[in-house]
Amino acid sequence: EADIYQTPRYLVIGTGKKITLECSQTMGHDKMYWYQQDPGMELHLIHYSYGVNSTEKGDLSSESTVSRIRTEHFPLTLESARPSHTSQYLCASSESGGTYEQYFGPGTRLTVT
Amino acid sequence: EDQVTQSPEALRLQEGESSSLNCSYTVSGLRGLFWYRQDPGKGPEFLFTLYSAGEEKEKERLKATLTKKESFLHITAPKPEDSATYLCAVQLSNSGYALNFGKGTSLLVTP
Repeated sequence: EADIYQTPRYLVIGTGKKITLECSQTMGHDKMYWYQQDPGMELHLIHYSYGVNSTEKGDLSSESTVSRIRTEHFPLTLESARPSHTSQYLCASSESGGTYEQYFGPGTRLTVT
Repeated sequence: EDQVTQSPEALRLQEGESSSLNCSYTVSGLRGLFWYRQDPGKGPEFLFTLYSAGEEKEKERLKATLTKKESFLHITAPKPEDSATYLCAVQLSNSGYALNFGKGTSLLVTP
């Protein structure tokens, strides 16, 4: 079944640790995105990729980095986690042509203590 | 500045009590307007895309409409399982494929 997966679903980690949030999709979509969402607030785009070896920063400034070595995989990395990074991180993907809707994964709830 | 505003912030309905959620937008160059449903602790679930004023789409008890300034999500005879946060997002024709989201309307339907 075509889908988009995120791991881990929940992560509690101490300040200063390096973390990678995983995102994979089996829909063959070229475009992938990372959004950040705080409780009661709107989603904000932090990174996007329109294909392999292509990554860009979004509207919301973020200290995270991303890579796109394979079409189906779009991991997000925080080199040194801080309490201000506590948030929900949502990965999404969309196809190249035709309709433009994005399909979201279940999200990773990150807590940095 | 491009903006997406949703109202009301929260809505409580009795089962069977129809109502509408509003999404108003002030953007230049709309490529599409999207409605999503989000359950607590989960990612948004795609509902509808609307591309031009006058367009309408339906799915079960939900119907989305679009004008040049706003979109409505009409909920007919809602059930408790329709309780969720409904998100509106716009995609601009001059800024790639990213979505600009509103803050959402939290809907609670009681039996």
